[in-house]
Amino acid sequence: DTAVSQTPKYLVTQMGNDKSIKCEQNLGHDTMYWYKQDSKKFLKIMFSYNNKELIINETVPNRFSPKSPDKAHLNLHINSLELGDSAVYFCASRGTSGRAYEQYFGPGTRLTVT
Amino acid sequence: GNSVTQMEGPVTLSEEAFLTINCTYTATGYPSLFWYVQYPGEGLQLLLKATKADDKGSNKGFEATYRKETTSFHLEKGSVQVSDSAVYFCALGPSGSARQLTFGSGTQLTVLP
Repeated sequence: DTAVSQTPKYLVTQMGNDKSIKCEQNLGHDTMYWYKQDSKKFLKIMFSYNNKELIINETVPNRFSPKSPDKAHLNLHINSLELGDSAVYFCASRGTSGRAYEQYFGPGTRLTVT
Repeated sequence: GNSVTQMEGPVTLSEEAFLTINCTYTATGYPSLFWYVQYPGEGLQLLLKATKADDKGSNKGFEATYRKETTSFHLEKGSVQVSDSAVYFCALGPSGSARQLTFGSGTQLTVLP
């Protein structure tokens, strides 16, 4: 009964390649996010979608392109991978209940660019 | 803008020791406050939350009280276990012009048997 799932869990690839990470949530939430966590555990928000529409787009290289085919899915495509893209990428989702603003996170995708 | 300052780690404690991880914030308005925990190799999980001043969030023996006067939300546990070893994140809900959670930098906790 996974709430937020991501695939793959591990991704090892070479510089210059293009790769995608998929995310699905079965919580019925309207809002989904992508975060990047660096080696020091610092979390940085990248994107947020609400009902398939982009609502937050932080300063992220345009090699990163999110795509939301429906409100249960938010995929992340990365073009021309660079060494600095190595990190753990987390998908998260949030419902619309009041001001509690809880987010539910996926297990993460560890991307290693060699 | 909103910001969270969290106690730097790493923190290493012996089992059954008392834990405090400090968290202070700067925010416009009165956001909800959260502690998230990240166990090794996993995503973040909500540990506890407080939605207004003087609220106390609690879960799994952890507690934190929303202190508006000191703009703090310190995490405490009376007796830690080895299984509490994880990274702990303090987070601020949206308020003012901020539309998303604002996370602290995380504190790595290691509990030794």
